[in-house]
Amino acid sequence: QVQLQESGPGLVKPSETLSLTCAVSGVSITNNNWWTWVRQPPGKGLEWIGEIYHRGSINFSPSLKSRLTMSVDKSKNQISLNLNSVTAADTAVYYCATSYQFAEIQHWGQGTLVDVST
Amino acid sequence: QSVLTQPPSASGTPGQRVTISCSGSNSNIGGNYVFWYQQFPGTAPKLLIHRNDQRPSGVTDRFTGSKSGTSASLAISGLRPEDEADYYCASWDDSLGGRVFGTGTKVTVL
Repeated sequence: QVQLQESGPGLVKPSETLSLTCAVSGVSITNNNWWTWVRQPPGKGLEWIGEIYHRGSINFSPSLKSRLTMSVDKSKNQISLNLNSVTAADTAVYYCATSYQFAEIQHWGQGTLVDVST
Repeated sequence: QSVLTQPPSASGTPGQRVTISCSGSNSNIGGNYVFWYQQFPGTAPKLLIHRNDQRPSGVTDRFTGSKSGTSASLAISGLRPEDEADYYCASWDDSLGGRVFGTGTKVTVL
């Protein structure tokens, strides 16, 4: 059973870097999965952030691409997200998720709320 | 920012049929699969429909997905109070090179 668990600071100051990790269990991160981040601002809809394959291929949202990095840690079976120069507009629940390429997102983490505020 | 357009709300009485539309373009719905997700407040989305009209194991057949051209729809038949949730369509967009979600529809059971 695939399980995803996001973790990271719940509060980030404006202009700083938002860093999250997603611990994966029940499947190897080197399996044929794409590892995805989706966010949802409070009271708003879902926004796709980007995805990474364990061999390093990435697809990023064009609107976030310039501020975004993702990585895979095979030794820890986890993925990471870094979003720099954050503003209040980056306040959201951040979900870690997984799918096959171009396919439906099958598994979601529970999400973690990140508040960008002083 | 969403490139897939859904009505913000839909409603019906118990037992009725409710349909949610999702409008896109040739670069997304027109050339790729459509997925539908259900989300309750404070929880992660759950997959309802994949490959336009396929239900994952465990999803009731009261949910039906369809696609025609650059639009898709989700029908909920025999509406129940527990269907009250937010519903999102999604697809891959070839022009953007990434996934896109719909604007979301809140379904209310009157």
